[in-house]
Amino acid sequence: QSALTQPPSASGSPGQSVTISCTGTSSDIGGYNYVSWYQQHPGKAPKLMIYEVTKRPSGVPDRFSGSKSGNTASLTVSGLQAEDEADYYCSSYTGTNSMVFGGGTKMTVL
Amino acid sequence: EVQLVESGGGLVQPGRSLRLSCAASGFTFDDHAMHWVRQAPGKGLEWVSSISWNSGSIVYADSVKGRFTISRDNAKNSLYLQMNSLRAEDTALYYCAKDNYRSGWSFMDVWGKGTTVTVSS
Repeated sequence: QSALTQPPSASGSPGQSVTISCTGTSSDIGGYNYVSWYQQHPGKAPKLMIYEVTKRPSGVPDRFSGSKSGNTASLTVSGLQAEDEADYYCSSYTGTNSMVFGGGTKMTVL
Repeated sequence: EVQLVESGGGLVQPGRSLRLSCAASGFTFDDHAMHWVRQAPGKGLEWVSSISWNSGSIVYADSVKGRFTISRDNAKNSLYLQMNSLRAEDTALYYCAKDNYRSGWSFMDVWGKGTTVTVSS
């Protein structure tokens, strides 16, 4: 049950696009389309932003998009806004019938 | 409104036990698998345990296996986490989360606000 690998930080100026990667193995990200992404503001509970690799829940801006290639998933935030500054976590179903999270990425809007 | 409310956290000595509860409302509880996820102070999210809609499938993280027990009471719309032999490294904010599906783990679409567990002498 090793954590998925995310960069500790990412940043961009308002209006720019930023992509966060999430690397796993063929036993998790590479083997299943159950990759999800969560946004967490300080002192708040996580919020689902992307599920099943590319799908957005109702109410999530279409500036947020997800993708996957092999064992790596990615979250892209386009048209970066101040309120996007938060921690982002990826998650995946695993072959051992469990779940795993990434270590988290702190997104800073410059 | 779909809502999850955790309770039962507190300060406990190493080696002792604690039982967390999660009260669900606003959705058909027994139509969904449920999860416990924790977050140590200043750290990232860590998946702890999951239970299917009918308790037929239960899984644990290696870090808690043999010490924690997840359960649910669909008649009471409630999820539980019995935590035994607590260690300092179990100190965290514990979240209850709803899965989108009945069984098989997919994604967590609703989260509670969490309950804090502190293990210290």
